[in-house]
Amino acid sequence: DSGVTQTPKHLITATGQRVTLRCSPRSGDLSVYWYQQSLDQGLQFLIQYYNGEERAKGNILERFSAQQFPDLHSELNLSSLELGDSALYFCASSVGPGQGDEQFFGPGTRLTVL
Amino acid sequence: GDSVTQMEGPVTLSEEAFLTINCTYTATGYPSLFWYVQYPGEGLQLLLKATKADDKGSNKGFEATYRKETTSFHLEKGSVQVSDSAVYFCALSDRTNAGKSTFGDGTTLTVKP
Repeated sequence: DSGVTQTPKHLITATGQRVTLRCSPRSGDLSVYWYQQSLDQGLQFLIQYYNGEERAKGNILERFSAQQFPDLHSELNLSSLELGDSALYFCASSVGPGQGDEQFFGPGTRLTVL
Repeated sequence: GDSVTQMEGPVTLSEEAFLTINCTYTATGYPSLFWYVQYPGEGLQLLLKATKADDKGSNKGFEATYRKETTSFHLEKGSVQVSDSAVYFCALSDRTNAGKSTFGDGTTLTVKP
């Protein structure tokens, strides 16, 4: 158990809908990262927050947004969902802002868009 | 931009065989390098890391050395076990890009008894 929790574990929804994925980092970790893992594109870094502020941005679509709250939990919002958004979404956390830090991964949320 | 290239899988070995999974990288800055492992149905977990040139990371019998001259971080293990069957990801964290992480595509290892 990494100490990172993600909810829900599974999510099934329809195209055009909007969903929110939630992540609670390990106690004491200030950074939260979001990744998308799909069969055809591997593991893609989406975005990182450090102590409530956006720190680094990867291949995140404009339909997707995220934020980190004062209690350090984070939410990833996915809107206007498309079939291709079906994937495993991982959250990870680390103590510091990122450079050289070990990331601890949650168990993931499996999103299926029908 | 940054990139990580891993040897293509899947890799199938017999128990006690020697393992090498190649990883090379390109980065604009001076990255930290990592190997993560993903067991079936689980999230990734750190296997080992190295933060500067010639550092050797090691854990659970796995080793990798940060080679700046060849921009490589190959993963090795002298004698694999069935329990090592998993997907292995090479990754870098670029200190000049706010620690943005880049992962390789992953290499699936299957070890047969």
